[in-house]
Amino acid sequence: AQTVTQSQPEMSVQEAETVTLSCTYDTSESDYYLFWYKQPPSRQMILVIRQEAYKQQNATENRFSVNFQKAAKSFSLKISDSQLGDAAMYFCAYRSARQNFVFGPGTRLSVLP
Amino acid sequence: NAGVTQTPKFRVLKTGQSMTLLCAQDMNHEYMYWYRQDPGMGLRLIHYSVGEGTTAKGEVPDGYNVSRLKKQNFLLGLESAAPSQTSVYFCASSYSWSYEQYFGPGTRLTVT
Repeated sequence: AQTVTQSQPEMSVQEAETVTLSCTYDTSESDYYLFWYKQPPSRQMILVIRQEAYKQQNATENRFSVNFQKAAKSFSLKISDSQLGDAAMYFCAYRSARQNFVFGPGTRLSVLP
Repeated sequence: NAGVTQTPKFRVLKTGQSMTLLCAQDMNHEYMYWYRQDPGMGLRLIHYSVGEGTTAKGEVPDGYNVSRLKKQNFLLGLESAAPSQTSVYFCASSYSWSYEQYFGPGTRLTVT
């Protein structure tokens, strides 16, 4: 089964600065999708960004962007101009036609004022 | 639209008791999922459904049963609760396998 690894259990960033969260995954498939979800203290899981593996262009959503390196099986999330509201757990997830969603263990991001 | 809703939000059970968690979605999604979230382990899939009347086992199905009698509802049952089932349970739905999931607010279950 595919696995998703997030090697940084905790990260911190100064408000207005940029931070990058790491995610690597293991797969032998060529067609799959990758996601970043945010879970604030409210516990609600919120989609941040979605990336199709067949697209070379990195996905972006406002201040959030990814660095998708398919050969390296890496999918990092960059948050620019960090805001206090970005403080949350961030989960990386993998999905393919053969494999249900697999989530990483999460990275807890703190934003320092 | 309410999106994905879960009932109840909190519950305390004694070992051996049974209960049912209800998930409802109003987005006409085919796929529905039940996860449990434990500290340091992310989300783990319990059971899922790819359409009305269908169910399938996920990664950690033991001790749980599910039913999808109506497209909009997905029920998770615990027949005989155990302390190991203390967790936060999330329901999610998606339009198709390749689309993002929309999550409910979660149910915190404690089994004593």
